[in-house]
Amino acid sequence: KQEVTQIPAALSVPEGENLVLNCSFTDSAIYNLQWFRQDPGKGLTSLLLIQSSQREQTSGRLNASLDKSSGRSTLYIAASQPGDSATYLCAVRLTGGGNKLTFGTGTQLKVEL
Amino acid sequence: EPEVTQTPSHQVTQMGQEVILRCVPISNHLYFYWYRQILGQKVEFLVSFYNNEISEKSEIFDDQFSVERPDGSNFTLKIRSTKLEDSAMYFCASSPQTSSYNEQFFGPGTRLTVL
Repeated sequence: KQEVTQIPAALSVPEGENLVLNCSFTDSAIYNLQWFRQDPGKGLTSLLLIQSSQREQTSGRLNASLDKSSGRSTLYIAASQPGDSATYLCAVRLTGGGNKLTFGTGTQLKVEL
Repeated sequence: EPEVTQTPSHQVTQMGQEVILRCVPISNHLYFYWYRQILGQKVEFLVSFYNNEISEKSEIFDDQFSVERPDGSNFTLKIRSTKLEDSAMYFCASSPQTSSYNEQFFGPGTRLTVL
């Protein structure tokens, strides 16, 4: 059974800092991995989708990397801003496992002025 | 930009009552999903729906749950007889196709409170 873990569970950084969020998964037979942002009491906003054949994807100040063999993905946020404060979730889709996503525990990020 | 919409945003019901949660997926998407998130816990998959039938479901999705696409735009989740433990945020999602690019887009959620 696929288990997805995110470390750290919570992170507080000063504005402007570059930061890395980590996601690890136990079954490396993944089809793709998706990073989401969740604001309190709100829905999930898709940030990046990275296919199993890709090593990284970039969107603006965000960069996601994937190392399937070690079961890890990282989300790099450059020049963090207070508006980046949210919970960040990673989710994996298994090869041959239909389209369902298995979600991680999330990292709650706070960017302080 | 097209988005997934859900109604109502908050539903309060008594234990044992039936509830229907409604979703309008993005119009050209083919796959539809329901997930739920109990407060403080992970987002969990419930069911996926394609070509007018369930393509996959989790062990959570028992006989109390059903899904339907009653017309060309709506996608609904029905809980037949709600229990206290059904209290959660329910998210609808849709994705454009079944091939390699299958990014899932989520709605804002319906918070279900069972009293």
